[in-house]
Amino acid sequence: GEDVEQSLFLSVREGDSSVINCTYTDSSSTYLYWYKQEPGAGLQLLTYIFSNMDMKQDQRLTVLLNKKDKHLSLRIADTQTGDSAIYFCAESKRGSSNTGKLIFGQGTTLQVKP
Amino acid sequence: DAMVIQNPRYQVTQFGKPVTLSCSQTLNHNVMYWYQQKSSQAPKLLFHYYDKDFNNEADTPDNFQSRRPNTSFCFLDIRSPGLGDAAMYLCATSSWGRGLNTEAFFGQGTRLTVV
Repeated sequence: GEDVEQSLFLSVREGDSSVINCTYTDSSSTYLYWYKQEPGAGLQLLTYIFSNMDMKQDQRLTVLLNKKDKHLSLRIADTQTGDSAIYFCAESKRGSSNTGKLIFGQGTTLQVKP
Repeated sequence: DAMVIQNPRYQVTQFGKPVTLSCSQTLNHNVMYWYQQKSSQAPKLLFHYYDKDFNNEADTPDNFQSRRPNTSFCFLDIRSPGLGDAAMYLCATSSWGRGLNTEAFFGQGTRLTVV
């Protein structure tokens, strides 16, 4: 099946770390993504990870992938008020019958308090 | 520089009046997608073009159609918009199946209001 699940809401204080979690069910997924969406805007790709990787770090962002548990997380270090947004986890699959289409989770609203 | 451009950003249409949303890209990607995103929900894929081949999702209503006259442009046509079609419509592109698979690049979206 194709199901991506996320917790709906996370609140942190400015300067703390934020960890947003995601679970997926399709073991054939080969790319896993994190997108950020600010109010009224489109989707901004933050980072992505290949399924043969365990971790990827990009400045303040760290992505961890646990393939056994089909669990993906996004850690934002030193969270700022500008990080307040909805964060979507998404998966896509390789293969002749798939053309990179993304399956999204419901999104996690991150609220950063000053 | 915007690479996936959607026009207009905001569209108001009357109930039942056909409306067309537009998407263009400067990336020369072979795949173009249309997603519908309703308030507080995840984006939902309506259909996509792989080169010239149209791929409809099984649960996309017949009211939604698409055209891709060339690599750069893709249109979403809603033949008879209902109140339930009010949503943000997101266009995305990617390169797929040509040795280099890229992530999807999204436009800013068109917010459709039906009155």
